[in-house]
Amino acid sequence: DIQMTQSPSSLSASVGDRVTITCRASQNIRNYLNWYQQKPGKAPNLLIYAVSSLQSGVPSRFSGSGSGTDFTLTISGLQPEDFATYYCQQSYSALGTFGQGTKVEIK
Amino acid sequence: QVQLQESGPGLVKPSQTLSLTCAVSGDSISSTGYYWSWIRQHPGKGLEWIGYIYHSGSTYYNPSLKSRITMSVDTSKNQFSLKLTSVTAADAAVYYCARLKSGGSSCLDYWGQGTLVTVSS
Repeated sequence: DIQMTQSPSSLSASVGDRVTITCRASQNIRNYLNWYQQKPGKAPNLLIYAVSSLQSGVPSRFSGSGSGTDFTLTISGLQPEDFATYYCQQSYSALGTFGQGTKVEIK
Repeated sequence: QVQLQESGPGLVKPSQTLSLTCAVSGDSISSTGYYWSWIRQHPGKGLEWIGYIYHSGSTYYNPSLKSRITMSVDTSKNQFSLKLTSVTAADAAVYYCARLKSGGSSCLDYWGQGTLVTVSS
């Protein structure tokens, strides 16, 4: 199985901050990488697919980059509604494993 | 707007079978290029993919659960279902159904709200 490792596991940030979350795959997954946002008590919501393509309706302050094994989700100008847990997910293999999540909390 | 809604018992006894259904609206479950998925999340934990099914009935199951899973699709009702046999406390989780958009980097673009399943006698 392909293992996905996110860092950090949690972070504290202020409104307006630039936040970066890293996701590392245990093998080359090319550009088969997605990002989801999950708020407490809610289902995950697709933010970015194929590394850097923004899902319809997602604000442009969210961006993704990377290739191969190392990927990044960046939030440029953190907003109050962005405090949530973020998951990366590889879709290279049939079993699209998720990272363990990064919780973004208010400083 | 595509919507998915899970339904089923919230409480299942140990060793019994968990049965859930996901009703799809706003899209045909027979649409080309979409698979219909089940994902679960243990309390306070990450996401675990259970498996997915195509409208033709072809399936892919998580190998760790494969011996206990059956998924089916009912195109006439535009819904799909999950059965998980011989449940234990380790199967207690929030279960989500979701649409898997295939092609390129396949992704889960629509999710149900989730249903909490407790395993207890």
